[in-house]
Amino acid sequence: KQEVTQIPAALSVPEGENLVLNCSFTDSAIYNLQWFRQDPGKGLTSLLLIQSSQREQTSGRLNASLDKSSGRSTLYIAASQPGDSATYLCAVRDDYKLSFGAGTTVTVRA
Amino acid sequence: GAGVSQSPSNKVTEKGKDVELRCDPISGHTALYWYRQRLGQGLEFLIYFQGNSAPDKSGLPSDRFSAERTGESVSTLTIQRTQQEDSAVYLCASSLEARPTDTQYFGPGTRLTVL
Repeated sequence: KQEVTQIPAALSVPEGENLVLNCSFTDSAIYNLQWFRQDPGKGLTSLLLIQSSQREQTSGRLNASLDKSSGRSTLYIAASQPGDSATYLCAVRDDYKLSFGAGTTVTVRA
Repeated sequence: GAGVSQSPSNKVTEKGKDVELRCDPISGHTALYWYRQRLGQGLEFLIYFQGNSAPDKSGLPSDRFSAERTGESVSTLTIQRTQQEDSAVYLCASSLEARPTDTQYFGPGTRLTVL
């Protein structure tokens, strides 16, 4: 059974600081890995999707890397802003379903 | 276009009652998924539909849980004789098909509280 772990569980940083969120998974036989953002009372917003053959994906201030062989992914958020405050979820895709980590709750202090 | 919608957004019920949660997927999406998120935990897969069929029900926690889908559209997740441990946010997602390359789009969820 796929196990996904996210560290740290919570993170609080001053505005402008870079964020580093970690995700690890136990079974490297994945199709892709996805990072989501979850805001209270709202659904999940997909941020980045990395195919298993890729090493990284970038979108604006966000960059995600994937090392499938070691079962690790890292999400970098540059120059954090208060609007980045949310819970970030990592999920790996094996066939049809997603297996999620418990998330990292980020607070960016103005 | 409209995204995935779920109703109700919040549901408070008493232990032992039955509840029905509804999901309206994106029009044209043949695959539909149900996940559950307990407080402080990641989302756990419950069941998925391809069309009106459910090839994998392995995530349903007990026989009190059931789901159906009709007309390759709306899906209903039913929990019978609710227990306090059923309290969670229930999220629905849909995708064009169930292929690994098809992105899953999530609804806002239904927050279920069992007293």
